[in-house]
Amino acid sequence: DQQVKQNSPSLSVQEGRISILNCDYTNSMFDYFLWYKKYPAEGPTFLISISSIKDKNEDGRFTVFLNKSAKHLSLHIVPSQPGDSAVYFCAASDGKGGSEKLVFGKGTKLTVNP
Amino acid sequence: NAGVTQTPKFRVLKTGQSMTLLCAQDMNHEYMYWYRQDPGMGLRLIHYSVGEGTTAKGEVPDGYNVSRLKKQNFLLGLESAAPSQTSVYFCASSYSRLAGATQYFGPGTRLTVL
Repeated sequence: DQQVKQNSPSLSVQEGRISILNCDYTNSMFDYFLWYKKYPAEGPTFLISISSIKDKNEDGRFTVFLNKSAKHLSLHIVPSQPGDSAVYFCAASDGKGGSEKLVFGKGTKLTVNP
Repeated sequence: NAGVTQTPKFRVLKTGQSMTLLCAQDMNHEYMYWYRQDPGMGLRLIHYSVGEGTTAKGEVPDGYNVSRLKKQNFLLGLESAAPSQTSVYFCASSYSRLAGATQYFGPGTRLTVL
């Protein structure tokens, strides 16, 4: 049973446009959400996170939005750059469970075309 | 400062052979993790450690053993490899066990079991 779902395996956007990556979750106990980015032949790297007490967190070109009632979060990248082409993983955690309870989605491969 | 390193980067085993994957981190992190990533899947936790000399099972521990004899090293062992263990293995570490703590990943080990 997938608790964290990234329903779009891939996404293609033009350079300069907005990229929107979506993530849905089923466990209402999740209260911390993270996005990781992964380039080929490298390990994932942390990108941005959000706590359930917020509905938005922004870091430069990256913004994560959280809609708790819909159990949905999204990552916005504006403007998109070719270097953003990577696989993006959404991850969620129940704050009581600790970092070992991090649950990852299957990932969305983003391609930004020049 | 190398961060998290993994040895080897690639390995091909025959069914029934054994091997050990080595993870090393130079960030003085207490917490370390072993994940596997299969095609079309998110990362799944195999085992983790909350400090030197301690280990615990994750989501998919069967067929694997681990040891944390030194704080900076976390070893993952396969005693009798099976084709189902063909995967990419990632090691990670974090400074905290809090749900939102950033996990720092190594570059991965691609293992094929024939």
